[in-house]
Amino acid sequence: GQQVMQIPQYQHVQEGEDFTTYCNSSTTLSNIQWYKQRPGGHPVFLIQLVKSGEVKKQKRLTFQFGEAKKNSSLHITATQTTDVGTYFCAGPSSSGYSTLTFGKGTMLLVSP
Amino acid sequence: NAGVTQTPKFRVLKTGQSMTLLCAQDMNHEYMYWYRQDPGMGLRLIHYSVGEGTTAKGEVPDGYNVSRLKKQNFLLGLESAAPSQTSVYFCASSYQRYEQYFGPGTRLTVT
Repeated sequence: GQQVMQIPQYQHVQEGEDFTTYCNSSTTLSNIQWYKQRPGGHPVFLIQLVKSGEVKKQKRLTFQFGEAKKNSSLHITATQTTDVGTYFCAGPSSSGYSTLTFGKGTMLLVSP
Repeated sequence: NAGVTQTPKFRVLKTGQSMTLLCAQDMNHEYMYWYRQDPGMGLRLIHYSVGEGTTAKGEVPDGYNVSRLKKQNFLLGLESAAPSQTSVYFCASSYQRYEQYFGPGTRLTVT
């Protein structure tokens, strides 16, 4: 079945350092979504990418969708303690109507 | 707007007991979903619904049942709880195939 893999599983950075998480799908995706979950919280939608090679920015966050639409990345510039949480990517499932397959997430810890 | 709400927030069950988790949304979304989240496993889809009166199985449906009698509500039932069902359960809703809005979660412990 379809797999969505994320690396790394965990990263601990000092405040001000950059951070990148990578997402790879076993199948071509029509779009990819990114979510953030704060500790003890629920996933919150960040962004959706649709076009091949698309790059979108949200303040210090940069999202990319690969040319082959099988991979994506999230880059955070100059991390802050408010960036702490787990970042998930998700793509449309190949088996379910209107369902998403989530990666296992990358947990980011930022030390002040 | 309250968004997506879930009740209860916490629950402890003994093996073999039953319970129902309630999810409600006030965004008039057609699609609703139930996930479970376990450490290191990400979010796994249990069941989902694409409209009132319809339900479908997700990735890990065994041991769970669902009902969508009203558009705004999606119920998740455990008929005979097992320790393997100890997890955090999230409900989500979406407008068609767009972004999903998650509820605050229910933390369930089965002893």
